[in-house]
Amino acid sequence: NAGVMQNPRHLVRRRGQEARLRCSPMKGHSHVYWYRQLPEEGLKFMVYLQKENIIDESGMPKERFSAEFPKEGPSILRIQQVVRGDSAAYFCASSPPGRGTEAFFGQGTRLTVV
Amino acid sequence: GEDVEQSLFLSVREGDSSVINCTYTDSSSTYLYWYKQEPGAGLQLLTYIFSNMDMKQDQRLTVLLNKKDKHLSLRIADTQTGDSAIYFCAESGGNSGGYQKVTFGTGTKLQVIP
Repeated sequence: NAGVMQNPRHLVRRRGQEARLRCSPMKGHSHVYWYRQLPEEGLKFMVYLQKENIIDESGMPKERFSAEFPKEGPSILRIQQVVRGDSAAYFCASSPPGRGTEAFFGQGTRLTVV
Repeated sequence: GEDVEQSLFLSVREGDSSVINCTYTDSSSTYLYWYKQEPGAGLQLLTYIFSNMDMKQDQRLTVLLNKKDKHLSLRIADTQTGDSAIYFCAESGGNSGGYQKVTFGTGTKLQVIP
């Protein structure tokens, strides 16, 4: 059973471009969470999704950021018109339904905006 | 909102015990976690404790929880150079249906001196 897979591991984008980050949860996990880690800081919750539904997006910036978790395929975190302040590590975690005690994290995507 | 605080840095000699401390503010926290992050890697869940427990031991790791003071600690016995990493304290509230929204501290960087 592979762990949570995120790709790409490293992503470089110029200001104004779009960044698409992918997360494939562990097998059997239907809950996905995205967190952002700014340099020298802890992780901040962004969004919680279940298949085809956004459950809690209270941590998402109001503009330029969106997330989806389609019925088929990975969860996608999309950042439009990136700015330098978007440079961070973005972590995805997944958990199975009905067991909220533990989430497994991917290795993260490190986004650098130049 | 919820807040989790940790000291930023801890240095110990190989073979000594390490104690990493954490305080949190959310009195409704149900689960308290310790995660380990090695350079350039994702987060590894080390252990977690339910809020109705005072202590949990797992091999070299001992977690102590003082719910009254909202204080959590992680003790690593016989610290090894491979334990050098950033350790994150985290908490989440009670939930149903498998939802886990975790609040992280800023992390404590543990340096083990050979």
